[in-house]
Amino acid sequence: AQSVTQLGSHVSVSEGALVLLRCNYSSSVPPYLFWYVQYPNQGLQLLLKYTTGATLVKGINGFEAEFKKSETSFHLTKPSAHMSDAAEYFCAVSDTGRRALTFGSGTRLQVQP
Amino acid sequence: NAGVMQNPRHLVRRRGQEARLRCSPMKGHSHVYWYRQLPEEGLKFMVYLQKENIIDESGMPKERFSAEFPKEGPSILRIQQVVRGDSAAYFCASSPAGRGSTGELFFGEGSRLTVL
Repeated sequence: AQSVTQLGSHVSVSEGALVLLRCNYSSSVPPYLFWYVQYPNQGLQLLLKYTTGATLVKGINGFEAEFKKSETSFHLTKPSAHMSDAAEYFCAVSDTGRRALTFGSGTRLQVQP
Repeated sequence: NAGVMQNPRHLVRRRGQEARLRCSPMKGHSHVYWYRQLPEEGLKFMVYLQKENIIDESGMPKERFSAEFPKEGPSILRIQQVVRGDSAAYFCASSPAGRGSTGELFFGEGSRLTVL
């Protein structure tokens, strides 16, 4: 079985501040991990993914995430928030790479001017 | 290179009517997934299909909901006798077949169903 927990349904940061969105997963086998972003009334867009190899993964729009097996975490970070980063962010896990993804409940990021 | 295409984008139905949502996967993709997103909630897996086969329907409600992905044409999610609780955004995603797939899903823009 696989599951994802996203701590904090709403996160608010100031423009230029660090963004940290938390994700913890549960998986019985080495996981594939993903972060997706959803803008209002749109579909989901992949930000980044971890499959194997380097545990620090860089994605689009300046985001990155680090896979920490010992902590079963895959937190998403961005050094400096931009107004355009305001959106809903979803962490997802797949335990085989060939099954459907299991999503967390999402974190809505607000960026204050 | 067209992405995942869903239609209609918006659908309004009265209680008891049927809703049909269509999804054409990305070119070269033969795996289709349907997810439901209720207001202010995350995405819940419904069903995973390949051409002419349902691979995993563990997330589908036992009644009124069905899905197909025929040899030709789009995948269809069908909801019979809709109720107000079916109001949600329904997202389709696709992925390529074969070993070596990293499990990444490519999403459509969603179909938003409103039941009056």
